[in-house]
Amino acid sequence: DIQMTQSPSSVSASVGDRVTITCRASQALTSWLAWYQQKPGKAPRLLIYAVSRLESGVPSRFSGSGSGTDFTLTISNLQPEDFATYYCQQANSFPYTFGQGTKLEMK
Amino acid sequence: QVQLVQSGAEVKKPGASVKVSCKASGYTFNNFFVHWVRQAPGQGLEWMGWINPNSGGTNYAQKFQGRVTMARDTSISTAYMELSGLRSDDTAVYYCAREMEQWLVLHYWGQGTLVTVSS
Repeated sequence: DIQMTQSPSSVSASVGDRVTITCRASQALTSWLAWYQQKPGKAPRLLIYAVSRLESGVPSRFSGSGSGTDFTLTISNLQPEDFATYYCQQANSFPYTFGQGTKLEMK
Repeated sequence: QVQLVQSGAEVKKPGASVKVSCKASGYTFNNFFVHWVRQAPGQGLEWMGWINPNSGGTNYAQKFQGRVTMARDTSISTAYMELSGLRSDDTAVYYCAREMEQWLVLHYWGQGTLVTVSS
């Protein structure tokens, strides 16, 4: 199975900050890397797919990049509604696997 | 608009089975794979498998092989996930999710179904 390791596990930031979350895969991926946002008691929401493609309706302050085994999610100009938990997910091979999550908290 | 509506919360005893439904609307059910993902309390997301509603074909994570069955009823645009031999560590919220067209990502999600396993 491909292991997905996110860092940090949690991060504190303020409104207006820029935050970067990293996801490292245990083996190289092609383009099947996605990012999801989850708020307490809610289902995950797709933010980015194919490494850097922004899902429709997702604000442009979210961006994704990376290749091989290292990928990043960047949130610029943090807004109050961005405080949530973020997960990366690979679909390069079965079983699909998720990172352990990064909790973004308000400082 | 695309909607996935799941069945309600369940409480089961260890060793029992649970069957969760996921009713789709707003799109052609047969055209998109449906995945199942679970999340234990306070934990991360765990992919369980998918079903191809058109053919009924399935692909299960090795961890759940032999205990999980995914099925569908195309006449009512509903997918099902049945998990047997329940243990306390199966306590989780179970989500169904629809794939995105042409991309292996989980595009639309159900609201989740809490399954509690307790004696």
